[in-house]
Amino acid sequence: DSGVTQTPKHLITATGQRVTLRCSPRSGDLSVYWYQQSLDQGLQFLIQYYNGEERAKGNILERFSAQQFPDLHSELNLSSLELGDSALYFCASSTQTGTGDGYTFGSGTRLTVV
Amino acid sequence: GQNIDQPTEMTATEGAIVQINCTYQTSGFNGLFWYQQHAGEAPTFLSYNVLDGLEEKGRFSSFLSRSKGYSYLLLKELQMKDSASYLCAPGGDNYGQNFVFGPGTRLSVLP
Repeated sequence: DSGVTQTPKHLITATGQRVTLRCSPRSGDLSVYWYQQSLDQGLQFLIQYYNGEERAKGNILERFSAQQFPDLHSELNLSSLELGDSALYFCASSTQTGTGDGYTFGSGTRLTVV
Repeated sequence: GQNIDQPTEMTATEGAIVQINCTYQTSGFNGLFWYQQHAGEAPTFLSYNVLDGLEEKGRFSSFLSRSKGYSYLLLKELQMKDSASYLCAPGGDNYGQNFVFGPGTRLSVLP
């Protein structure tokens, strides 16, 4: 157990639907990052939150949104889903300073859009 | 922005040594991470270089040259379980933590 919890582990939904993925960071970590990984593709950075505020944004679609709550858990909302959104979605958390211990990843949510 | 380049695939034999290279161009840099990712699983942290030179950690070593925008991961005494993707990630934000990963190098270890 990495300490980063993602739910659900698997999700199957139809095109056009909306889903919410949840992430609880490791205890004490203030930063949360969301990544998308399509089949045989690299990790694509979506968005970062730090202590409740958006810190950086990557190639996140307008149909996608995220937030980090006061208890530091984060949610990634995906709407108007398309077949191409099928992917593994990872959440990672890190300490607030660059101590070099890197990111800790959750086990991911596998989203299948049918 | 960041431009990160790694070989797509590599193959090596059990017991051998393999070097996985990474070149990058990034605005702002605090250090470079290497991660291992087995298929369908989450990436796991391997190493972090903030100074130039070689960092050794067991069978894995990582080298960094900041002036050249170059790093490599050296894996010794390869084992079958080392078959995985290896991701290079230059750290670029103000907190020294990266958020952009390279495309990854898929390593296959053969018996």
